Amino acid sequence: GENVEQHPSTLSVQEGDSAVIKCTYSDSASNYFPWYKQELGKRPQLIIDIRSNVGEKKDQRIAVTLNKTAKHFSLHITETQPEDSAVYFCAAGGYYGGSQGNLIFGKGTKLSVKP
Amino acid sequence: DVKVTQSSRYLVKRTGEKVFLECVQDMDHENMFWYRQDPGLGLRLIYFSYDVKMKEKGDIPEGYSVSREKKERFSLILESASTNQTSMYLCASSLVLGGGNTEAFFGQGTRLTVV
Repeated sequence: GENVEQHPSTLSVQEGDSAVIKCTYSDSASNYFPWYKQELGKRPQLIIDIRSNVGEKKDQRIAVTLNKTAKHFSLHITETQPEDSAVYFCAAGGYYGGSQGNLIFGKGTKLSVKP
Repeated sequence: DVKVTQSSRYLVKRTGEKVFLECVQDMDHENMFWYRQDPGLGLRLIYFSYDVKMKEKGDIPEGYSVSREKKERFSLILESASTNQTSMYLCASSLVLGGGNTEAFFGQGTRLTVV
């Protein structure tokens, strides 16, 4: 089955700096790579996703890059703000065998943005 | 708005009890998932279902079973609750489009304590 590794587990940056979180996956059949943000006491919510036919995607201060050959993808947050402080999860999903839609998460990165 | 609703926010059960966690989604999603969230371990997939009566084991299915008799409802069953099943349980659902997975929407979570 799929295995997703996420690094670092904690990340502390100064407000205005950039933050980068990296993930690797094991199954070349994975074709969908979302990133979720979970604020304290709340449910995870999608912030950006990318499919395997795309190498990069941007949404304002957030960008995701995908390297299919190396099986890794990264989240980039620029001009970080205190409200970016949260736990971020990467995930990999796709078709496995005869079933559809498995979604495996990394262990999460706790991002702290210091004012 | 997609709504994924879990039947209980907090639950306290005794060791050996049979426990039912219910999840309902209102968007006609094919995929439904049960995850367990523990500090430092991220979101671990217990089971997922891609259609009525269809289920696939995730990474940690031992001690759990699931039921999906209707498309909108996915139940997680702890056959005989044990203290090591004390955790936060998150249900999610997603639509399947031609290329595979799409955004997974999460419920608010059930904090289960087994005493």
